Amino acid sequence: GAVVSQHPSRVICKSGTSVKIECRSLDFQATTMFWYRQFPKQSLMLMATSNEGSKATYEQGVEKDKFLINHASLTLSTLTVTSAHPEDSSFYICSARRGQNTYGYTFGSGTRLTVV
Amino acid sequence: GQQLNQSPQSMFIQEGEDVSMNCTSSSIFNTWLWYKQDPGEGPVLLIALYKAGELTSNGRLTAQFGITRKDSFLNISASIPSDVGIYFCAGQLGSNTGKLIFGQGTTLQVKP
Repeated sequence: GAVVSQHPSRVICKSGTSVKIECRSLDFQATTMFWYRQFPKQSLMLMATSNEGSKATYEQGVEKDKFLINHASLTLSTLTVTSAHPEDSSFYICSARRGQNTYGYTFGSGTRLTVV
Repeated sequence: GQQLNQSPQSMFIQEGEDVSMNCTSSSIFNTWLWYKQDPGEGPVLLIALYKAGELTSNGRLTAQFGITRKDSFLNISASIPSDVGIYFCAGQLGSNTGKLIFGQGTTLQVKP
């Protein structure tokens, strides 16, 4: 089955530093990748959509200069949280999609980011 | 923007009982999906619904796509302790964008 590997699973960083989160589709090519953020006891909120080789499309209210998304290949997308602050602490989850088939959505296992 | 209203917010049931949760929306969705999320993990797809009125089962789970395309329910029969987790409904806005809108989630606790 389709597997999406997300790394790291958890990271603690100091305020003001940047953190990179990787999302890899291991056995399929992901035409589209999605990045979500989830605060404790809340739902998943879509941050941005990225297609390989194109600029990411950000949802309203998400700062594109703060959350840099790179989708350089069909198997790898990265999310970089720049100049992180404590309010950026959250659970970040990626999702990879194969083609137009809805069954093609596969989620990564998430990254717990704590900014101290 | 589009919103999905999911209820109940939480449930605490006895092992063996049946469970029902539902989602409603003011918008029409092309596809409804039901996911389960364990603590510290990403969501895992349980059931996908593509047609209005569709009723689909996956083991002890049954889900239906409402006729109006604005609602869906998920039933779990004969619950077991490993059913514990957070269940989310998600609606797909369109096959081109591929965006999913998630409900608020239903936290299920099962007492052995």
